[in-house]
Amino acid sequence: DTEVTQTPKHLVMGMTNKKSLKCEQHMGHRAMYWYKQKAKKPPELMFVYSYEKLSINESVPSRFSPECPNSSLLNLHLHALQPEDSALYLCASSQEGRLDPGGQYFGPGTRLTVT
Amino acid sequence: AQKVTQAQTEISVVEKEDVTLDCVYETRDTTYYLFWYKQPPSGELVFLIRRNSFDEQNEISGRYSWNFQKSTSSFNFTITASQVVDSAVYFCALSEAIFSGKSTFGDGTTLTVKP
Repeated sequence: DTEVTQTPKHLVMGMTNKKSLKCEQHMGHRAMYWYKQKAKKPPELMFVYSYEKLSINESVPSRFSPECPNSSLLNLHLHALQPEDSALYLCASSQEGRLDPGGQYFGPGTRLTVT
Repeated sequence: AQKVTQAQTEISVVEKEDVTLDCVYETRDTTYYLFWYKQPPSGELVFLIRRNSFDEQNEISGRYSWNFQKSTSSFNFTITASQVVDSAVYFCALSEAIFSGKSTFGDGTTLTVKP
């Protein structure tokens, strides 16, 4: 199974809503990532979890809150978002080899629109 | 600091033509990894290849081939006999050898293959 799944595929939320994005992988990868991607731009790293611990937070606003309940699941909790947060949110996973970083496998993304 | 440059913003070819996507990188590390990803219009990033800095052998996978030249800091990607399904945005990326979770992405090259 070389698939990363993400739900929902599309999400429209108001600025006062609370919602969550979900990501799941069953490849035994121990590194999981959240990226934000605007149209015609490369993905921007938001968070990295390594062995279920947050290892990187790229100065992301606190209205984005990641959670890694276990080695297969990754959530992104959203609260009080701004219209500029509208983007494609991509989850990825990879083998976390200390001296051999693997390629990242991406999910299909959640297209988020904040109104 | 690491940097990846994909100078070709957009390329348009006619089906069955060969096309080369350029990638030039900068890093102070002696050991590093290079990647290519494909993002079709559906939005999902697909991992294509990983190459470490000690392995300068060219690689071929079907119609895809990669030319890594350390002397010119380039990792170019060639599609032979292009097909309409190859239309996508292609990203080149660079990461440190020791896992940090961070990859530096180029800005991407949009390839359009016309029938």
